[in-house]
Amino acid sequence: KAGVTQTPRYLIKTRGQQVTLSCSPISGHRSVSWYQQTPGQGLQFLFEYFSETQRNKGNFPGRFSGRQFSNSRSEMNVSTLELGDSALYLCASSLRDSHQNEQFFGPGTRLTVL
Amino acid sequence: GENVEQHPSTLSVQEGDSAVIKCTYSDSASNYFPWYKQELGKRPQLIIDIRSNVGEKKDQRIAVTLNKTAKHFSLHITETQPEDSAVYFCAATSGSARQLTFGSGTQLTVLP
Repeated sequence: KAGVTQTPRYLIKTRGQQVTLSCSPISGHRSVSWYQQTPGQGLQFLFEYFSETQRNKGNFPGRFSGRQFSNSRSEMNVSTLELGDSALYLCASSLRDSHQNEQFFGPGTRLTVL
Repeated sequence: GENVEQHPSTLSVQEGDSAVIKCTYSDSASNYFPWYKQELGKRPQLIIDIRSNVGEKKDQRIAVTLNKTAKHFSLHITETQPEDSAVYFCAATSGSARQLTFGSGTQLTVLP
């Protein structure tokens, strides 16, 4: 089975712009979660989608949003980018509930905000 | 919400020695505790997990122990090898929280 894929792998944006990141889960996986990873902060939970519905959201401002399509692919959008949004954004898929089962991570999208 | 603290932040051991990483959690309802390994430039991968109905789980050189009363769990790696060098993350969650809360990570370096 193909693993979780994310596009693009690298992005450079300037403050105030918006960005859309894409995640394709493992075939058959219906749950997709997004995380922000920064040095020293570990992985911070952004949100989880299951069957096109957002099931949970982490403690991030409303500038961070997402959606999931009928084929389970997910997108994450960040509007009005700030310097502090520079990070590695990881998505992870799981067969069922992401918080109680193994999550399979994608390679991440490295976002740099200048 | 859940708070997970992980120690130490960095750990260096000689090849062949054991390594122990400890995590504490705050939510007594937490019932699932996975450990992820992230090698440099790579994605995190699950190496072992434990649920609250067991106190210990082993998989070859890796073991995890859970103390629900004290609300802490630990990762034990025996006979460490250079390929064990990576960042290790613990995490905790409860059924009601519906999200994994990760520790801040431990950079393990195995010296040859």
